[in-house]
Amino acid sequence: SAVISQKPSRDICQRGTSLTIQCQVDSQVTMMFWYRQQPGQSLTLIATANQGSEATYESGFVIDKFPISRPNLTFSTLTVSNMSPEDSSIYLCSVGSGSRYEQYFGPGTRLTVT
Amino acid sequence: RKEVEQDPGPFNVPEGATVAFNCTYSNSASQSFFWYRQDCRKEPKLLMSVYSSGNEDGRFTAQLNRASQYISLLIRDSKLSDSATYLCVVNSAGGFKTIFGAGTRLFVKA
Repeated sequence: SAVISQKPSRDICQRGTSLTIQCQVDSQVTMMFWYRQQPGQSLTLIATANQGSEATYESGFVIDKFPISRPNLTFSTLTVSNMSPEDSSIYLCSVGSGSRYEQYFGPGTRLTVT
Repeated sequence: RKEVEQDPGPFNVPEGATVAFNCTYSNSASQSFFWYRQDCRKEPKLLMSVYSSGNEDGRFTAQLNRASQYISLLIRDSKLSDSATYLCVVNSAGGFKTIFGAGTRLFVKA
């Protein structure tokens, strides 16, 4: 499976600011995804990062709040904009692989908004 | 009704025990099924895919019952290192539309 890295691994941010999270994969992948995992909860898909076009957002997530870039097949960024304490969460990128649509995850970015 | 529902847990078992987790899903068009394992403060990792015929990987056995929309994971001879949260994952209607269950926490004690 692909090796996936994320930066930063954690951050503490003030409300009203923005944070950009980077996801780097060691091989070219077609499908990349961004998830959120709030404390004690399971994973929720934010969006699918499409190379060369706009991301596809899930219900409840909008581009203005979570802009995503996917400039090539090995890299994507997720920005959490105008943060509030409710955005405190772990943000994970994943890549899709295989005929059965398995996903492999990066180590996550732990965000705390004060 | 949630799209993917799991036993709430936590399960507390002694080493060597056999433990079973259950999961139900609501979308009959779902096509791919998985169990992931998530250790505390770590990312989820694919444990095994679940096939219609059932499949086994060492101490782990996964089964799928499409008629009942039910998935199970059986862990035999539990080890301390099996302590983790087990996530039932369903891909609905093909592709990468993935729904994660809330997870079942397992504690294996010596």
